[in-house]
Amino acid sequence: QKEVEQNSGPLSVPEGAIASLNCTYSDRGSQSFFWYRQYSGKSPELIMSIYSNGDKEDGRFTAQLNKASQYVSLLIRDSQPSDSATYLCAVWYNFNKFYFGSGTKLNVKP
Amino acid sequence: GALLSQHPSWVICKSGTSVKIECRSLDFQATTMFWYRQFPKQSLMLMATSNEGSKATYEQGVEKDKFLINHASLTLSTLTVTSAHPEDSSFYICSARDKGGEAFFGQGTRLTVV
Repeated sequence: QKEVEQNSGPLSVPEGAIASLNCTYSDRGSQSFFWYRQYSGKSPELIMSIYSNGDKEDGRFTAQLNKASQYVSLLIRDSQPSDSATYLCAVWYNFNKFYFGSGTKLNVKP
Repeated sequence: GALLSQHPSWVICKSGTSVKIECRSLDFQATTMFWYRQFPKQSLMLMATSNEGSKATYEQGVEKDKFLINHASLTLSTLTVTSAHPEDSSFYICSARDKGGEAFFGQGTRLTVV
């Protein structure tokens, strides 16, 4: 079983719409969760981190965490073509390892 | 956020030679660094965890004698790909966590073995 799972996509949304990205993880003991954005040929860049159940908002981005169901999601409001990228979910495990999902490719169409 | 400087950003080498990739933390002391490999259209795969002053911990399936990791100081970790072959061609990325617990990445190194 993979530690972190994401739908590979591509997820296509029109400009201005809300993009919803989902991620599930296997270790109930995980405490830290992150969303990264990766443009082709570039290193990932951190978008948001979330540690507690519920929602965390930062600008157009909202991260949602549900530890009971072991999923974390990212909502992007007012999607822009520049948001088109691969979004990686990452989970920090207690034994000092940091695992990534396979990523969801997002296409925002003008 | 923390700054990690990775060098070189790209390298082309001949099959059978060795390549060294450096990762420096510029504004914090990185007790632990992580090395990832990413093949085209695939996710980042953790190769090894590098701890300052001790031997690296390698993930299953990663050859420790082929991918030599040295973390001699709190600001520098190196990955050496020894006797490189075309199948080692990939995007290699270093990462470290800062005091806030968030992981940051170097710019990545694209290795092409011909």
